[in-house]
Amino acid sequence: NAGVTQTPKFQVLKTGQSMTLQCAQDMNHEYMSWYRQDPGMGLRLIHYSVGAGITDQGEVPNGYNVSRSTTEDFPLRLLSAAPSQTSVYFCASSGSMTYEQYFGPGTRLTVT
Amino acid sequence: GEDVEQSLFLSVREGDSSVINCTYTDSSSTYLYWYKQEPGAGLQLLTYIFSNMDMKQDQRLTVLLNKKDKHLSLRIADTQTGDSAIYFCAEKAANAGNMLTFGGGTRLMVKP
Repeated sequence: NAGVTQTPKFQVLKTGQSMTLQCAQDMNHEYMSWYRQDPGMGLRLIHYSVGAGITDQGEVPNGYNVSRSTTEDFPLRLLSAAPSQTSVYFCASSGSMTYEQYFGPGTRLTVT
Repeated sequence: GEDVEQSLFLSVREGDSSVINCTYTDSSSTYLYWYKQEPGAGLQLLTYIFSNMDMKQDQRLTVLLNKKDKHLSLRIADTQTGDSAIYFCAEKAANAGNMLTFGGGTRLMVKP
């Protein structure tokens, strides 16, 4: 199993550009989520999904869209990047009967 | 909303014990977690404790939970330089599916 994979590892965007951060898992997990990590603030939940076709907002959803057309994939879209979205983004997945969340390696995004 | 607090920094000498503390506010927490993040890497689950437990020991790691005071601690015995990392406390509330609320992280520095 590859676990949770994320691409790209690094990305630099100009203000106003759009892009999609990819996340995939091969563990057949129902739950998937996106977090952003900023210094001294831990991880904050952006969006999450409890299964294919179902998504919901987390703590900091503004400026981001998600969709979940398959169990495996959960892309995060930035519609119009802003410098405030400079952060490290982590995708995570977990099964409904497990206590553990599995994290991807992260995407470091810089918006200039 | 839920809040998880940690001190920012801890410095210990190699061979000493480290104690990292965490407080949380959500009395409905079901699981509490400790994650480790090494520089440039994702989050690695170290250990967890179910909310009806007081203590859990796992090799060099001891987790203590005081549910009355909503206080969680992680003790690392015989701390090694390889333990230098950021440690995150996280809690899962009863009505939050598999979503976690994270503390801001404690940076542990181990001096030789």
